[in-house]
Amino acid sequence: SSELTQDPAVSVALGQTVRITCQGDSLRSYYASWYQQKPGQAPVLVIYGKNNRPSGIPDRFSGSSSGNTASLTITGAQAEDEADYYCNSRDSSDNHCVFGGGTKLTVL
Amino acid sequence: EVQLVQSGTEVKKPGESLKISCKGSGYSFTSHWIAWVRQMPGKGLEWMGIIYPGDSDTRYSPSFQGQVTISADKSTSAAYLQWSSLKASDTAMYYCARVYIDFMMYYFDYWGQGTLVTVSS
Repeated sequence: SSELTQDPAVSVALGQTVRITCQGDSLRSYYASWYQQKPGQAPVLVIYGKNNRPSGIPDRFSGSSSGNTASLTITGAQAEDEADYYCNSRDSSDNHCVFGGGTKLTVL
Repeated sequence: EVQLVQSGTEVKKPGESLKISCKGSGYSFTSHWIAWVRQMPGKGLEWMGIIYPGDSDTRYSPSFQGQVTISADKSTSAAYLQWSSLKASDTAMYYCARVYIDFMMYYFDYWGQGTLVTVSS
């Protein structure tokens, strides 16, 4: 099965822009989706498809992709964006899925 | 409003059996895949498998095949995750999530609140 690789930790100054990346062969064929998880809470979908945000997700969250790398960009990071972020994509196996290891975002 | 409501915290001993549930509401339960996702303490998300309640078509991650059983009851709009003999290493938070799958995308748009399973002697 495929693997998705994320940086374990990233930090950003309040109000600045941060990019969180996700790398894997499956991303050459399938879109990544992104999830935000705060301590003690269930994950929340923030980006799916080419660059789609579910209702209620602020427009400072955006997604992009190039080759085997997908990116989640937060433009003007807020204190409440401090969380773990996970990517996932479809696997080449029948209806299987793979998650990245997660990135802990700290807002300074 | 789409909701997935999971059963409550479980504390079990090694070797015991367990079945946890995830009840869907606010949408057509039989028309969407449901996934189970494990999160061990302090660790990341792991895809365990999915089920299509409409026909009970089920797929498992190789890591979980033979270790758990995923099932669904469309009459009660519930999905289940079951163990026949728990191990201490099964201690984790387990989430169910509704899945959208097409040729290009695979994402989890609604999540249950999680069921904490603790296995300890």
